[in-house]
Formats: sequence, C-alpha cells, structure tokens
Amino acid sequence: GESVGLHLPTLSVQEGDNSIINCAYSNSASDYFIWYKQESGKGPQFIIDIRSNMDKRQGQRVTVLLNKTVKHLSLQIAATQPGDSAVYFCAERAGGSYIPTFGRGTSLIVHP
Amino acid sequence: NAGVTQTPKFRILKIGQSMTLQCTQDMNHNYMYWYRQDPGMGLKLIYYSVGAGITDKGEVPNGYNVSRSTTEDFPLRLELAAPSQTSVYFCASNKPPGQQETQYFGPGTRLLVL
Repeated sequence: GESVGLHLPTLSVQEGDNSIINCAYSNSASDYFIWYKQESGKGPQFIIDIRSNMDKRQGQRVTVLLNKTVKHLSLQIAATQPGDSAVYFCAERAGGSYIPTFGRGTSLIVHP
Repeated sequence: NAGVTQTPKFRILKIGQSMTLQCTQDMNHNYMYWYRQDPGMGLKLIYYSVGAGITDKGEVPNGYNVSRSTTEDFPLRLELAAPSQTSVYFCASNKPPGQQETQYFGPGTRLLVL
C-alpha cells in the first residue's frame, strides 16, 4: 500500500558536519510534507514543511528538498550540533486529507 | 499559551482496568488527534476530530474511545486495558489545512499495562 519510509534508521555524524536525512514516499497524491524532530522523552516538534509546488525550502540551519520525480524528501541540517541529536520523522499528507502519515524515523547521533 | 497538555505523564494499569488520557489545547485549534508510538516506530493514528462534536477513527482505533465536547479537550478512553496497549500516547492539534497547519504535539503519556 501507500507508505512513507526512511532509508537509514541511524545516522552518526561529527559535530560541525552537515547531516542529510532521507525519506521516500509512495503516494503520488501527497502534496504536503513535514519534518519533525523528537527528542528523547518528548513529543515530536515541527521543524519545517514544504508543499508539492516547491522543490526547496530553507529555515534556520535546515533545508528541505523535494524531488517529486522520484518521490524523495530530504532534510539537511547545516553545522550539526549535539543538540540536534534526536529522532527525525518525515510525514506526508495527500491533498484533501486531514491526516498526515508518518514514517518510522531516523535517529541522528551527533558526536562532539 | 501552554500549547498542548497531557495528563497523566505516566501510568501503570492492570489488564482489564480502564482509564482516561486527558488532552487539552489552548490555541483554539479545530483539529485534534491521538497517536500511539511503540518503541522504535513511527506514530499511528488512533482517533481524530475536526471540531467539537465530531470524531472519526484513525488507523488503530480498536480498544479506544474518544469524545470532543469542547474545542479545547479531547480525552482518550481505554475501557479494558490490554498489554498490547502498552505504548506512548501523543495528542496533537492544528488549524485546518491551508491555515498555517503546523501540528503541535503534547509531551506524551507513557502507559504500561501489566
């Protein structure tokens, strides 16, 4: 069935490096995508979103890229810091739906 | 604003017991959701509501019930707790799609059923 998934369950980086977290989606009707950060023991926190009429969106130290041709989404974190250590989820929502579908998550570990 | 608040933070239940997980938001959001998150997994939708008096089933509604009598509150009821309901439960809310629809999550309720 339609699904959202992540390629890498765990990503380890050194402090100061750039991190890239990937996400594949299969629902061609999806038109809204969101990245969340979940720190240990806390609820998910919105990071950045992008609509399907865009290819790229930038925030503070984060960039989301959307490739609709291959149904791929990525989150880039610049100058990764220990405070970025968390699980990152992508979610997608199809047009006309109220409900986002969440992927399994990628654990980002930042080594000082 | 306090955002989305959930109580209790942690609870241990015996099999067959019942309980209500409370969720309140003070952002005047129409849309509210209940998710469960099992270890190492993503979020699965239990129930959602698009406004007071309106609720609908999500992906995994069995064993749960909800009500939405006010905009602010969206309690989740477990009638006969089972070990399979051991999980972390998150409540979330947002404005309707198209209106700055960032989804805000509560801190979660950790439930252990023994």
